[in-house]
Amino acid sequence: GESVGLHLPTLSVQEGDNSIINCAYSNSASDYFIWYKQESGKGPQFIIDIRSNMDKRQGQRVTVLLNKTVKHLSLQIAATQPGDSAVYFCAENRGGNTPLVFGKGTRLSVIA
Amino acid sequence: DVKVTQSSRYLVKRTGEKVFLECVQDMDHENMFWYRQDPGLGLRLIYFSYDVKMKEKGDIPEGYSVSREKKERFSLILESASTNQTSMYLCASSLFRGLQETQYFGPGTRLLVL
Repeated sequence: GESVGLHLPTLSVQEGDNSIINCAYSNSASDYFIWYKQESGKGPQFIIDIRSNMDKRQGQRVTVLLNKTVKHLSLQIAATQPGDSAVYFCAENRGGNTPLVFGKGTRLSVIA
Repeated sequence: DVKVTQSSRYLVKRTGEKVFLECVQDMDHENMFWYRQDPGLGLRLIYFSYDVKMKEKGDIPEGYSVSREKKERFSLILESASTNQTSMYLCASSLFRGLQETQYFGPGTRLLVL
């Protein structure tokens, strides 16, 4: 989920289990969403995106689900691996030509 | 692959110094962005540019300026660095705006102002 204050939400998952990272958005006009992964000491990397005319999109080991009714986005990672340990951000385009708006991130910690 | 490079990974400056952070992208992207990233605050947009010689203020432009003289290069300038500008600075670029505006990020510059 989204962080509040100075503490980043953390999700701890056993290696091999599935992970679900959530993101809430508030703008009903948002029409495009992206998930990014940021490893320690690196810039965010694109993982997967989804347009608002879809409710599900699959990549390699990742699935993004979009529920426009409750303005909720989730990232599912199958068979989580130690290399998946990172901070994950959602980003939304709120329509028009305004820049992406980023969530505060969730830290995923994989327990070997 | 899109490549966004930033001139320095780590930088230490003194209060009052003028600081230049350089960003270069090699994919002919129209749009470039500067963010700062602080613990618990996520990515905050400082300035962005949708074309050469154009710039627009983001959410936190105070204390910063930018320059975009060439399409591939976007510079962030701290006219007089202050300790509260100690942060991780991230540059990004994108080909499109709006729908499918996927931003690609550089590795970041960690700036410490003493």
